[in-house]
Amino acid sequence: EIVLTQSPGTLSLSPGERATLSCRASQSVTSGYVAWYQQKPGQAPRLLIYGASTRATGIPDRFSGSASGTDFTLTISRLEAEDFAVYYCQQYTGSSFIFGPGTKVDIK
Amino acid sequence: EVQLVDSGGGLVQPGGSLRLSCEASGFTLSAYAMTWVRQAPGKGLEWVSSIGYSGEDTYNGDSVKGRFTISRDNSKNTVYLQMNSLRVEDTAVYYCAGYIVAPRRQYFYGMDVWGQGSTVTVS
Repeated sequence: EIVLTQSPGTLSLSPGERATLSCRASQSVTSGYVAWYQQKPGQAPRLLIYGASTRATGIPDRFSGSASGTDFTLTISRLEAEDFAVYYCQQYTGSSFIFGPGTKVDIK
Repeated sequence: EVQLVDSGGGLVQPGGSLRLSCEASGFTLSAYAMTWVRQAPGKGLEWVSSIGYSGEDTYNGDSVKGRFTISRDNSKNTVYLQMNSLRVEDTAVYYCAGYIVAPRRQYFYGMDVWGQGSTVTVS
C-alpha cells in the first residue's frame, strides 16, 4: 500500500517568502496521478495542481509543482496573505485515492 | 455557476443510518466520476468512496467497506452515499467531489469541483 509522507508538518514563513512543500511516496507512483490541494479553515479543499505539475484553472502562477521519482514538490514562489493554509498531496491509484497528512503554512 | 450541493448530514446514534446527497448544478454530472472524501474534526482528508461516470464501477475505502454504498442518478444530476452501521469514528465532514481521469494516458485531472460539505455526527 502506498503511503504519502508530507514534510514539513508546519512551515512558518512571512509574506513574500518562498515556500517549498514536499510529498514523498513510499513506492513508485505514476506522476500523472498526483495532485495538490489547498484547504482553508471551514472550507472545502481547492485543486491547485494536477498531473504533478499542471496548474488548475484560475490558479496563480506563483504556484508550481514538480516531480522527481517518488518525490513531489509544491512551490509557492512568493507567499501572499491568502496562501496561508493547509496543503495536501494526493495520489490516484486507479481505484482509490490516498492523501498525505498535510503541511500547514502559517504566518511567522 | 458550477457547483455541488451536499445535503443529508445530521446527528445519528451508533449503528444507525444516514443517506447523503450531492446535487450538481451548472454542469452535467455524467461528465465526471464522483467521490466522497471525509474529514474528521481537526484531522486530514480521507477518501471514502468513488463511482464511475455511469455508475458501473464503485470503490470503497477499507474503513467503510460493507457499510457504505455510493450510487448516482445522472438523470437527477445527483450522487448519493448510503451509510449504514455508523460508528463514532465515522464522525466527520463529508465532501462530495468530481474528477476526470484518463486511464489510457495515465492522467488524473484532479478533483476540481467540490461540495461545501455535510456534517455527520455519530454519538
